[in-house]
Amino acid sequence: GPKVLQIPSHQIIDMGQMVTLNCDPVSNHLYFYWYKQILGQQMEFLVNFYNGKVMEKSKLFKDQFSVERPDGSYFTLKIQPTALEDSAVYFCASSLTGGRAEQFFGPGTRLTVL
Amino acid sequence: AQSVTQPDARVTVSEGASLQLRCKYSYSGTPYLFWYVQYPRQGLQLLLKYYSGDPVVQGVNGFEAEFSKSNSSFHLRKASVHWSDSAVYFCVLRLNTGNYKYVFGAGTRLKVIA
Repeated sequence: GPKVLQIPSHQIIDMGQMVTLNCDPVSNHLYFYWYKQILGQQMEFLVNFYNGKVMEKSKLFKDQFSVERPDGSYFTLKIQPTALEDSAVYFCASSLTGGRAEQFFGPGTRLTVL
Repeated sequence: AQSVTQPDARVTVSEGASLQLRCKYSYSGTPYLFWYVQYPRQGLQLLLKYYSGDPVVQGVNGFEAEFSKSNSSFHLRKASVHWSDSAVYFCVLRLNTGNYKYVFGAGTRLKVIA
């Protein structure tokens, strides 16, 4: 079936540095999502993105977070600067349309902030 | 507030035995419910979904789930598990308003032993 890829699978950085997580969504999908899962906790919605704009974001989507998808390339989540509490697995998802369309998920990027 | 509870963080069953993974949800609206499975180093894959109608829904690989409005539950079942079913299983509630956000359970890690 359709696959969402995430690069890298694991990233280790020092607190205060910038990090960019990359998502390669399903090719014809138009809606994109990021979720965050802290170890042992629920996966939680961060943000969704359509037509170059953030449609909705949660309280977890701090000011240090930003998303973009320049020219149909990777859908990215940038964190600048990082904090210890940003350590988590970040999952990307995409869907063909918004609303009730099924979301397809990537395998996640494990981010460790030291 | 809406939530999904998977009370069993880990379940171990013998190959060939039957399986039930429990899921309870809390939501005042009409629930759309999913079960996803995540194999190591892969994205979440949809097993089955319930929107309306017959409360027992069939999914891939012999899985089924039963929706109970009175119990606010959506338990996943399989008659006979195989070692390849070892994975993490997520119960997910999709809200019926706004941007149709996904609310995740914490996941149940299933281990199938010989």
